[in-house]
Amino acid sequence: DTGVSQDPRHKITKRGQNVTFRCDPISEHNRLYWYRQTLGQGPEFLTYFQNEAQLEKSRLLSDRFSAERPKGSFSTLEIQRTEQGDSAMYLCASRGQGYTGELFFGEGSRLTVL
Amino acid sequence: AQTVTQSQPEMSVQEAETVTLSCTYDTSESDYYLFWYKQPPSRQMILVIRQEAYKQQNATENRFSVNFQKAAKSFSLKISDSQLGDAAMYFCAYRSKSGGSYIPTFGRGTSLIVHP
Repeated sequence: DTGVSQDPRHKITKRGQNVTFRCDPISEHNRLYWYRQTLGQGPEFLTYFQNEAQLEKSRLLSDRFSAERPKGSFSTLEIQRTEQGDSAMYLCASRGQGYTGELFFGEGSRLTVL
Repeated sequence: AQTVTQSQPEMSVQEAETVTLSCTYDTSESDYYLFWYKQPPSRQMILVIRQEAYKQQNATENRFSVNFQKAAKSFSLKISDSQLGDAAMYFCAYRSKSGGSYIPTFGRGTSLIVHP
């Protein structure tokens, strides 16, 4: 399977715990995006990597959120001290260097904070 | 900042009929991309169709076509001969091509229900 993969698909945690999500993009894609999607909403941008450099961060990405992309391959999104408002689907997408602009999405990681 | 508005939270269509989903956007740029993405239940989002703003011809992909009205900043999606497998959330998205942010901005989505 050469698509974008995300792990875990579902995570249930208690408020205050830390969680980490992983995204493996399509191998030849150098651009990687994290979005958050809540019920009834479209994807909201969180952060963007080009290779290993984190080039943009949304104001939604509070200091409890951190994302990395070491070596420009897979990426991790960590949420510290989770709150109930963090419950959402976290989507990862990747894009190659072509000019078409199409994003290729993973199936998402659903977080439920109790 | 660019905004994308989908004013129809839900639409329904009979199988084999045609349905149009609406999208408007706000931008001061002259060149950009517009997209429609489909998100089936519990499945990943996939691209349905793409339009480049400088191209006057409306994009078409099989049963899917767009009506791109640049002056009106409108980008609607027409699905012809609707099939049960078309049932999904549909998201309109905008992405700058030059200057500004290259981050795609999405609308809130339209849920399409297809009745057999």
